[in-house]
Amino acid sequence: QVQLVQSGAEVKKPGASVKVSCKASGYTFTTYGINWVRQAPGQGLEWMGWISTYNGNTNYAQRLQGRVTMTTDTSTSTAYMDLRSLRSDDTAVYYCARGRMRYFDGSTDVWGKGTTVTVSS
Amino acid sequence: QSALTQPASVSGSPGQSITISCTGTSSDVGGYNYVSWYQQHPGKAPKLMIYDVSNRPSGVSNRFSGSKSGNTASLTISGLQAEDEADYYCGSYTSSNTVVFGGGTKLTVL
Repeated sequence: QVQLVQSGAEVKKPGASVKVSCKASGYTFTTYGINWVRQAPGQGLEWMGWISTYNGNTNYAQRLQGRVTMTTDTSTSTAYMDLRSLRSDDTAVYYCARGRMRYFDGSTDVWGKGTTVTVSS
Repeated sequence: QSALTQPASVSGSPGQSITISCTGTSSDVGGYNYVSWYQQHPGKAPKLMIYDVSNRPSGVSNRFSGSKSGNTASLTISGLQAEDEADYYCGSYTSSNTVVFGGGTKLTVL
């Protein structure tokens, strides 16, 4: 079945970087893009960006531009989200979510279970 | 990009129908038929319930329906069941080629 398996929880100090992985299975990886969405404790969903698994094109949320990089490794069907210069308000559950289409239309269907990232000194 | 506006909470009794609104602008909800709705139970990942304003993914109950008028999209749940109690989020494609979510609505089944 289609699933996205994310890497384990991380604890980081302010100013550090974190890289979260998302391994896809059950479908052809390059057919659908991957979105990253985060959710701070007790808060709503925040879209972070999207990457085309077909050609590597990216769209990032403006407020994260310059701090976030999304990449893929098609040989292992894995997407990565790298967030730098971490602050306490980056503490959140980070989700990867498959786009419904190869092109970007903002919709997602299958979600990973989430990766908890805690930023604390 | 400001978040889409949803009511913080709605409630209904089993068997009743409820509607959750999601208000944006002509740059997001009103400008495109790319509105999605997600259900999230505590401690779980969101689940897609509606895409492209009114389409249901395979496996989602037909008690869930979506619509749009102008800059406001709506999710209607008919025949409320206890298992429908969850948080619901709308999301829309925007003219900036990004996604904006609503703040979320907590549904309580009385």
